[in-house]
Amino acid sequence: KAGVTQTPRYLIKTRGQQVTLSCSPISGHRSVSWYQQTPGQGLQFLFEYFSETQRNKGNFPGRFSGRQFSNSRSEMNVSTLELGDSALYLCASSLEPGADTQYFGPGTRLTVL
Amino acid sequence: KQEVTQIPAALSVPEGENLVLNCSFTDSAIYNLQWFRQDPGKGLTSLLLIQSSQREQTSGRLNASLDKSSGRSTLYIAASQPGDSATYLCASGSEKLVFGKGMKLTVNP
Repeated sequence: KAGVTQTPRYLIKTRGQQVTLSCSPISGHRSVSWYQQTPGQGLQFLFEYFSETQRNKGNFPGRFSGRQFSNSRSEMNVSTLELGDSALYLCASSLEPGADTQYFGPGTRLTVL
Repeated sequence: KQEVTQIPAALSVPEGENLVLNCSFTDSAIYNLQWFRQDPGKGLTSLLLIQSSQREQTSGRLNASLDKSSGRSTLYIAASQPGDSATYLCASGSEKLVFGKGMKLTVNP
């Protein structure tokens, strides 16, 4: 069974631009979560989606948004990029919310210049 | 609000040593405690999951324990190998994982 896939793997953007990242969960998994990883703050929870609905949201500004499609694939969008948004963005999937184990993708490395 | 701490931030050891990695958390009413491994530039690999009703879990050379009363979890790695070199993270929670900052382990041949 294929693991969690994220595209693109690397992105370079400039301040003020917007970006969309994509995540395809493991087949049969219906819950998708997003995390941001930076050297200073570590891993921080962004949001979680299940059945096309956002169930939980972390403490991030409204520039960060996401959605989930009927096939459980998810996208996250960051508008008006700032230098501090440079990070590794990780997506994780699980069978359902609160399932024991979340399976992580390889991440998208975003660099904002 | 749950806070998870891992100390030290880095550890370098010779091959063959038995290791204990520490993780502490502030809220004893945790749901799960997970240990992950992260290789440079890669995503996270789940190593062990301890449910709140459990005390420990084992997988091969790895053993993780959970003591909710003291707010601590430990990951024991037996007979360390160079291939164990990675960053190890612990995380508390179920839907919203709260992570420690991780511990970078280097096992020298």
